[in-house]
Formats: sequence, C-alpha cells, structure tokens
Amino acid sequence: DAGVIQSPRHEVTEMGQEVTLRCKPISGHDYLFWYRQTMMRGLELLIYFNNNVPIDDSGMPEDRFSAKMPNASFSTLKIQPSEPRDSAVYFCASSLEGGWRPLHFGNGTRLTVT
Amino acid sequence: QKEVEQDPGPLSVPEGAIVSLNCTYSNSAFQYFMWYRQYSRKGPELLMYTYSSGNKEDGRFTAQVDKSSKYISLFIRDSQPSDSATYLCAMKNSGGSNYKLTFGKGTLLTVNP
Repeated sequence: DAGVIQSPRHEVTEMGQEVTLRCKPISGHDYLFWYRQTMMRGLELLIYFNNNVPIDDSGMPEDRFSAKMPNASFSTLKIQPSEPRDSAVYFCASSLEGGWRPLHFGNGTRLTVT
Repeated sequence: QKEVEQDPGPLSVPEGAIVSLNCTYSNSAFQYFMWYRQYSRKGPELLMYTYSSGNKEDGRFTAQVDKSSKYISLFIRDSQPSDSATYLCAMKNSGGSNYKLTFGKGTLLTVNP
C-alpha cells in the first residue's frame, strides 16, 4: 500500500498564476478529501468527494478554487488566480465508506505564493 | 465560540513524563472523537479513536471522552522522544453520510531525552 500520494511536495509561484495540486488516493477508497492547513486556522476541509462525485464544497474559500475527480485514482485542486493568502499546506486524504473510517492523509503540498 | 478549542502549546516535557493533551468542544452532536499525530513535514495519522463517552487504552496511550463536560483528553505514559509531534483532536457527528471532521488546531509536543 503506497498510501495517498500528492504532488508536487513544494510549489512556489507568483501572485496571479494558476496552481494545480494533484492527488492519488489509496486504491479502493471511496472518499477523497482536500484540506488546507495554516498556523492561524489549523486544518480546514475544503471539499470532499464520494465515488468521484463532489459531496460538500462549502469549505472552498472562493471561486478561484476548484476541484475535480475525473476517476477513482486521481484528483486535482486548482487555484486560479493564486494570491499570497493562499499560501498554506494542502493535504489530500482518502478513506473507505461505511459508518466511520479513519482518514489517510498524504504528506501535503506546501504552497507559497509571492 | 469555536467548535473545537485546543491549546497550541508548545509543550515540552522530559522523557518518561506523563503527558496530558486536551480539547474542548461546543457541538453536542459530536459522537466520534479522534486523535491524530502529525510529525513535521508529514500528514496527520490516526492515533486513537473513541465513540461517545468513555476511555480507550492502546499501549502507552489513553483517550478519554467526557461528553457532559464536552472535554476530551489524550494521555501519554512514559513519553519518548519519538512522541515529539503535533497532536490534533478531531470530531464528527454520527449522522449518516456526514464525513466532515472538525479538527482542533493541534498541540506541539516535544519530549526531551
């Protein structure tokens, strides 16, 4: 089991540029989550998918953020245009369905927008 | 009032000490309570999980939930330098398809050899 794989590990970009973060969940997991972590706000849920369908995107901060899950093994989080306040660590997590199951997190993408 | 409050620390203890980490919450609908451990530059990983009230023990770790006080705790006995990490509490409702976890901001723990 390779775990949840995120890429890139680090991203530095200039304000106004488009940023795309990528995630490969654990095979067989039905749920995929995107979180953002900052010192000020902690871990915040942005959006989650069930069987590739977005279920709750109420945490997506603005229209500049969008997420897709074209198939069970891949998801993207896109920020366009990026702003300095988007600087954070973005985590992807996946889990099985059924009652309650633990989240399995990737090691995150550290985004810096200058 | 925030849904989940957690003292950010930092907390520094000598090796072998008993560590107590705590969270308070305001949402009485929370039924599942978890502790995640996050090492530097890594994603959080599940450490302990309890449902409703009561205690749960796993090796050197004990999780306690007091729903009447809306207070949860994680105790670490005989703490080791390898326990140095950020500990995040997390909670969720029991309702059906609700998979939304609410996290505390985390407490940074350092165990000194």
